[in-house]
Amino acid sequence: NAGVTQTPKFRVLKTGQSMTLLCAQDMNHEYMYWYRQDPGMGLRLIHYSVGEGTTAKGEVPDGYNVSRLKKQNFLLGLESAAPSQTSVYFCASNLQGLNTEAFFGQGTRLTVV
Amino acid sequence: QKEVEQDPGPLSVPEGAIVSLNCTYSNSAFQYFMWYRQYSRKGPELLMYTYSSGNKEDGRFTAQVDKSSKYISLFIRDSQPSDSATYLCASDSWGKLQFGAGTQVVVTP
Repeated sequence: NAGVTQTPKFRVLKTGQSMTLLCAQDMNHEYMYWYRQDPGMGLRLIHYSVGEGTTAKGEVPDGYNVSRLKKQNFLLGLESAAPSQTSVYFCASNLQGLNTEAFFGQGTRLTVV
Repeated sequence: QKEVEQDPGPLSVPEGAIVSLNCTYSNSAFQYFMWYRQYSRKGPELLMYTYSSGNKEDGRFTAQVDKSSKYISLFIRDSQPSDSATYLCASDSWGKLQFGAGTQVVVTP
């Protein structure tokens, strides 16, 4: 049982490049989340999904897009990377969203130069 | 302004001391309150959760919620060096899990 797996773990991008971060969970969870973590800012919600085929904006959605075509996968896309998107990105999932433990991946360290 | 506010610290205490961590929140709709622990270069892990107001105890950890003042607290008794981590408070409102900035705690031997 792998839990929540994020790929890649590290990436360096040049300004303007695009990339997709993949989150996969094998716990049959309905809810999935993408957060970014920056020093002094904590975890900020980018986008989330309450089920297959659904997505919703979080606190800091600008510059990111997401898709949830399969229940087990939640993709985060950066269409044109900017240095302000240098961060550690965490994916999480939980069963219902309310009163249930959220499980996190190990994070993706992204640097945009 | 974030809906969950938390002092980022760092907070340094000697081994055996009581660690006191606090958060405030602004959204009255929040019902579930959680504390996550995050070790360096790892993802957060759930430590405790509470529903509405009241206390919850689990070993050396006690979580408190005061909904009237929108205040969340975590106490760690008999702190150990292995408790050194970042502690994040979080609240859940209809599937939207939101976190505070996290407080870095250092327990020195």
